[in-house]
Amino acid sequence: EDKVVQSPLSLVVHEGDTVTLNCSYEVTNFRSLLWYKQEKKAPTFLFMLTSSGIEKKSGRLSSILDKKELFSILNITATQTGDSAVYLCAGRGGSQGNLIFGKGTKLSVKP
Amino acid sequence: GAGVSQSPSNKVTEKGKDVELRCDPISGHTALYWYRQSLGQGLEFLIYFQGNSAPDKSGLPSDRFSAERTGGSVSTLTIQRTQQEDSAVYLCASSSAGTLAYEQYFGPGTRLTVT
Repeated sequence: EDKVVQSPLSLVVHEGDTVTLNCSYEVTNFRSLLWYKQEKKAPTFLFMLTSSGIEKKSGRLSSILDKKELFSILNITATQTGDSAVYLCAGRGGSQGNLIFGKGTKLSVKP
Repeated sequence: GAGVSQSPSNKVTEKGKDVELRCDPISGHTALYWYRQSLGQGLEFLIYFQGNSAPDKSGLPSDRFSAERTGGSVSTLTIQRTQQEDSAVYLCASSSAGTLAYEQYFGPGTRLTVT
């Protein structure tokens, strides 16, 4: 059965800290891995990763995929209170394109 | 431009009643997905529509759940004889063909509470 496991489930840091969120996956016919940020109800897209070892970067956020070890990490440097959210990792596989989501990591950034 | 919209934003219903949830995808997006998110859980895939192809219903949890997509645009998710375990946030997402085909845009969701 396909599954995506994220760790930690929750994390509390202070502003300015650097955090690393983990995502491991077992997805049949894996095609890509996506990261989302969910602050209220609707997740917003952060990154899509398809190739191993190529870092994707957007401001203070970056992510990388390891297709050999079947995991991805999301790094956030110099965290701000506005980074507080649930970060969702999802794997896409098969021919239909639906995503298999992890349970998310709840990040709380304290001032 | 307009994003994915869903209605209603909140729905409270009594156990045993039927409910209909609506999703308006981004104009021109050929793919439409329904997910649900129960308290403390990750997103659970329900059903996927792609153009005129037969939908992928593999995620529907029971035969009380069904969905339609009319004219390749608006979709309705119907839950018959609702149960308390159906309480969740139901999210709709759409995506387009092209280089960013795998980027799904989510709507704000419908929070369903079954009492």
